[in-house]
Amino acid sequence: EVQLVQSGAEVKKPGESLKISCKGSGYSFTSYWIGWVRQMPGKGLEWMGIVYPGDSDTRYSPSFQGQVTISADKSISTAYLQWSSLKASDTAVYYCAREFCSSTSCYNVIFDFWGQGTLVTVSS
Amino acid sequence: EIVLTQSPGTLSLSPGERATLSCRASQSVSSNNLAWYQQKPGQAHRLLIYDASSRATGIPDRFSGSGSGTDFTLTISRLEPEDCAVYYCQQYGSSPYTFGQGTKLEIK
Repeated sequence: EVQLVQSGAEVKKPGESLKISCKGSGYSFTSYWIGWVRQMPGKGLEWMGIVYPGDSDTRYSPSFQGQVTISADKSISTAYLQWSSLKASDTAVYYCAREFCSSTSCYNVIFDFWGQGTLVTVSS
Repeated sequence: EIVLTQSPGTLSLSPGERATLSCRASQSVSSNNLAWYQQKPGQAHRLLIYDASSRATGIPDRFSGSGSGTDFTLTISRLEPEDCAVYYCQQYGSSPYTFGQGTKLEIK
């Protein structure tokens, strides 16, 4: 069974750093892109970026380029999303998700298995 | 950036009825690269439809997608109580890849 298990909720102050995680199991972790999606309070979903754990290739949405860092450690089947200096506007639920592969193609920009979400609260 | 507008915001229907959810794009979605997701309360998101009309793995044929260009539709026939969820569309034809704001489906 494919599972993506995310780290627990975080409460941080503006300016602090943070790294949240997403551990994959039940499939070949190095063979599928992992993406991150943000949902701010009361808002819709936002596609942030993706990482390919096999070689750590990373792609970012323009809005998130330079704002966050996406990475993966294939030795422990875990992807990460990190901030060097949090802002109050980073308060949101963050989801990791695995790329979708049909019988004929893989789509690294849409996702079929999702994590449960990690709530990040940034407040002074 | 392509803005996706979903309507209605909330839809309330009875079991056995048909639900029609709309997703309208601010500009044409390249190659009909549009997906639909379902999020049930307390559960992870689930991919339903990709490429506008192809069902994802294990999705029952009660769920169907249609449309092209700027207008897309998710149809759920023969509603069941378990279909109560928020449904999102996503375009992946051009970066940034964007989502609609969601339609909440309530089952009476």
